[in-house]
Amino acid sequence: NAGVTQTPKFQVLKTGQSMTLQCAQDMNHNSMYWYRQDPGMGLRLIYYSASEGTTDKGEVPNGYNVSRLNKREFSLRLESAAPSQTSVYFCASSVDNEQFFGPGTRLTVL
Amino acid sequence: QKEVEQNSGPLSVPEGAIASLNCTYSDRGSQSFFWYRQYSGKSPELIMFIYSNGDKEDGRFTAQLNKASQYVSLLIRDSQPSDSATYLCAVGGGYSTLTFGKGTMLLVSP
Repeated sequence: NAGVTQTPKFQVLKTGQSMTLQCAQDMNHNSMYWYRQDPGMGLRLIYYSASEGTTDKGEVPNGYNVSRLNKREFSLRLESAAPSQTSVYFCASSVDNEQFFGPGTRLTVL
Repeated sequence: QKEVEQNSGPLSVPEGAIASLNCTYSDRGSQSFFWYRQYSGKSPELIMFIYSNGDKEDGRFTAQLNKASQYVSLLIRDSQPSDSATYLCAVGGGYSTLTFGKGTMLLVSP
């Protein structure tokens, strides 16, 4: 089992460019999450999906969109990247209150 | 909005000592509490969860919960240099979402 996988691992964008961060899990979990982690800020929830076909906003959703493509995949899209979106992005899935995290995507917006 | 507070540290302890990490939370109705460990450049991994007042032990780790004081702690006995990491306290919410503190950096010196 690969657990939670994320692509890409690193990305550099220019302001205004768009991109999609991909996340997949092979643990058959219903719930999936996207977080961002900034220095000194801890992890902050962007969006989550409690089950296939549903998505909800977290603490910091502005500037992002998500798609729960199927039970395995949950993508995060930046339509017009801004320097304030420079961060490390983690995807997670959960069962029985335990969240399993992917390796992260380090995104820099210039 | 839920808040979770942690001392950012670093907390420095010698090898073999007990490390004590503390966390307070704002939402009196919170029911589930988690401790994650995050090594530099890596993703968070769950160490322990606790739901009831009192102590919960797992190997060298003990989680303590006091709901009246809205206080959670993690004790690490016989600290090892490999325990050097950032420890994240998290409080559970609806749909297994988590609100994280900013983390406490622990340094264990040989």
